[in-house]
Amino acid sequence: GQQLNQSPQSMFIQEGEDVSMNCTSSSIFNTWLWYKQEPGEGPVLLIALYKAGELTSNGRLTAQFGITRKDSFLNISASIPSDVGIYFCAAQTIQGAQKLVFGQGTRLTINP
Amino acid sequence: DVKVTQSSRYLVKRTGEKVFLECVQDMDHENMFWYRQDPGLGLRLIYFSYDVKMKEKGDIPEGYSVSREKKERFSLILESASTNQTSMYLCASRRRLAGGPSYNEQFFGPGTRLTVL
Repeated sequence: GQQLNQSPQSMFIQEGEDVSMNCTSSSIFNTWLWYKQEPGEGPVLLIALYKAGELTSNGRLTAQFGITRKDSFLNISASIPSDVGIYFCAAQTIQGAQKLVFGQGTRLTINP
Repeated sequence: DVKVTQSSRYLVKRTGEKVFLECVQDMDHENMFWYRQDPGLGLRLIYFSYDVKMKEKGDIPEGYSVSREKKERFSLILESASTNQTSMYLCASRRRLAGGPSYNEQFFGPGTRLTVL
């Protein structure tokens, strides 16, 4: 089946550092998404990308939909303690039910 | 404020028990989904439902069944729980997609952490 490879699996950084994570696939998708999950909660959508090459920002977060439609990255600038959580990339399949496929997640830990 | 609720946050069951996980959404969404979340594997789709009484298998349906008798409620059933079904279970809902390639946000519940002993 379709798979997303997300890296890194975990990050340990100092407060104020920038963060970068990415997702790749061998399949083409028409929508890429980035979710954040805080402890004890379900994932919440951060950014949605609809066009190849699209670069979108949401505050300190910036994400891009790769030109090949097979990858995406998420950057967080000047990290703060509340950025802690698990970040998931997801992509929506083109055919059929247009389900979401998820990456393995990146667990972000921040040292104050 | 949109809301997806799940009946339990934590559940402990014994091997062989029948387990029901309930999910309710108040957004009048047609589509509902059940995922399981495991470390290093992300979220994997178990079953989904386009509308009332409709269901389709996801990527890992073995050992599970579902029921959608009312639009707002989607139940996940473990007929005979096994230890390898110990996991976090997440429910989500989404408004029905328009025709052709389109996207509507999936809203997630807080999850049920199930432990099977």
